[in-house]
Parts: sequence; structure tokens; C-alpha cells
Amino acid sequence: AQTVTQSQPEMSVQEAETVTLSCTYDTSESDYYLFWYKQPPSRQMILVIRQEAYKQQNATENRFSVNFQKAAKSFSLKISDSQLGDAAMYFCAYRVQDRDDKIIFGKGTRLHILP
Amino acid sequence: ETGVTQTPRHLVMGMTNKKSLKCEQHLGHNAMYWYKQSAKKPLELMFVYSLEERVENNSVPSRFSPECPNSSHLFLHLHTLQPEDSALYLCASSQGRFWSYNEQFFGPGTRLTVL
Repeated sequence: AQTVTQSQPEMSVQEAETVTLSCTYDTSESDYYLFWYKQPPSRQMILVIRQEAYKQQNATENRFSVNFQKAAKSFSLKISDSQLGDAAMYFCAYRVQDRDDKIIFGKGTRLHILP
Repeated sequence: ETGVTQTPRHLVMGMTNKKSLKCEQHLGHNAMYWYKQSAKKPLELMFVYSLEERVENNSVPSRFSPECPNSSHLFLHLHTLQPEDSALYLCASSQGRFWSYNEQFFGPGTRLTVL
């Protein structure tokens, strides 16, 4: 069965520092997509970054980057120069392109930014 | 209005009531989703509609009944709910069910409390 595991329920980081959120997944598929979503206290979930499994190069979006290790089935999110606005729940998600359009989310990591 | 909107934002209902949640997307997408978000549990995909056709039902109890009259609107009809159904219900949309690269855009959610 496909699963997504986020082993850190909560994390804290000092403002301007770097933090890494971990995500592992289990799948037998070779072609899939991975996402990190952010859900701020206002509750509207937004996409942070995405990665195609067939691409070896790690995705980056400004201060956000991923460390994608396909063999290890690991997909961690690194936030550099943390800002107060980064405080949110972060969800890792896995999606495979098939008829059922399966999308599986992890339980989330609550990130606190310390001023 | 832009993006994905949901009404009502908060709903309190008794176990014998019948109510409906509404979702509307203004993004021209052709796939819409209902999710259930409970505390300390992964986001659960409930229903997927693509081009107004239901393509996924993840073993959701029949007391939840979805309706998608067109590609912009999605409803979740609720009847004889249980207290454990209390949760945040999120609607999402994306462009093309089979384009798994595409991100999902989420609404702000409806906080449902069942007494």
C-alpha cells in the first residue's frame, strides 16, 4: 500500500535559520509526483514545491528546496532564511498518474518560527 | 471571487439534520475533490470528480453524498452524521485529473461540528 510518513509532528526554528522537514513514502510505482503543501493558520492550503520522480535534479523555489532521494524514498523540504510567515502546517503528498488519481498526504508537520 | 470558495465556513448540526456544503472554483479547472481533515490524522481524500463524473469514492459512508452539477460547483450533502464526522472539510480543484503534475488548489474549508 502507498503511504506517506512525516515523522516530525512539530518543529521549531529560529527566524533566519534553516530547517529541514522530513518525508518518506512507500510505493512500488516508478513514475509519480511529490508535493509539499503549506497550510497557514487561516487554513487555505497552498503548494510550496513539487518534484517529478523521473527528474534527478532537486526542485527549488526561492528559499524552499527539496532533497529527493528516490532509492531511499525520501523527500525532505529545506526552508532557508526562515521567516515568521513560514509558520504553518506542512504536508507532504504523493500522487501517481492513474485512473483513480490517488493522492496521499502525510499527517503533517507543524512548524513554529521563533523570533 | 477568485480561487476556490467554500460555504459555509462553520457548521454545527445535530445527528438527525440534513445539510449541504458548497464549493465553487473560479479557475476553469475540470477536476474537483472533497477531503476530510481530522486532528492528528492524514488528509483523507473522499471523492474525486473529473468532468462532472465521479471517478473515485474512497469507501466513504453513504451518509456523505456528493454532487457535481457542473465543473465549477461541488456539493457535499450530509445526513444522519455521527460525532466522529466532526472535522474540517476541504474542497480542491485542479486542471486535468490525468495531469498529476498539476497542483491542487484548496478552498478555506468548512469546519463541521456534529453534536
